[in-house]
Amino acid sequence: GIQVEQSPPDLILQEGANSTLRCNFSDSVNNLQWFHQNPWGQLINLFYIPSGTKQNGRLSATTVATERYSLLYISSSQTTDSGVYFCALTGGYQKVTFGIGTKLQVIP
Amino acid sequence: NAGVTQTPKFQVLKTGQSMTLQCAQDMNHNSMYWYRQDPGMGLRLIYYSASEGTTDKGEVPNGYNVSRLNKREFSLRLESAAPSQTSVYFCASRGTGTPNYGYTFGSGTRLTVV
Repeated sequence: GIQVEQSPPDLILQEGANSTLRCNFSDSVNNLQWFHQNPWGQLINLFYIPSGTKQNGRLSATTVATERYSLLYISSSQTTDSGVYFCALTGGYQKVTFGIGTKLQVIP
Repeated sequence: NAGVTQTPKFQVLKTGQSMTLQCAQDMNHNSMYWYRQDPGMGLRLIYYSASEGTTDKGEVPNGYNVSRLNKREFSLRLESAAPSQTSVYFCASRGTGTPNYGYTFGSGTRLTVV
């Protein structure tokens, strides 16, 4: 099956700093999605981004499908950005694979 | 609000007891999923239903059964709970076609088996 690697596994940022999270995958994919799991456990849809670049406020994401990676950028980080960031991929029909996540802590 | 609703939010079971986790979505999505999340392991797919009337095993189906009752509802049953099934369970649904192709998750069920 598809292998998904996220890096870094853990990240501590000072409030206001920028960061880049990476998701590498081993095979071609039909879609890729980024999620944020907040400290209360809720999974929030950030981006559906099988290719190209999207931006939403301080967050943006880029997927280069031909090179099998996706990047999530967080600019001017805030304490509310803390939590775990997952990428999830669908290769074949309904074959969904989640990475194990990047745990982000933003400190004031 | 539109979305995925899971019940219950918390549950404690004794080993050997049974229970059903309920999930309903009101977004007219065809596909529905059950995941479990364990520390350090991300989310793992238990079962999914590509459309009403169909169900298929995911990565970790042992010890679970599912029912796709109708297009809206997808339930997960533990027939004889074991401590290894202590986890957080998420239901999700997914539409087809932009812009609805991404997943929407429920708020989760925290299950403890003692």
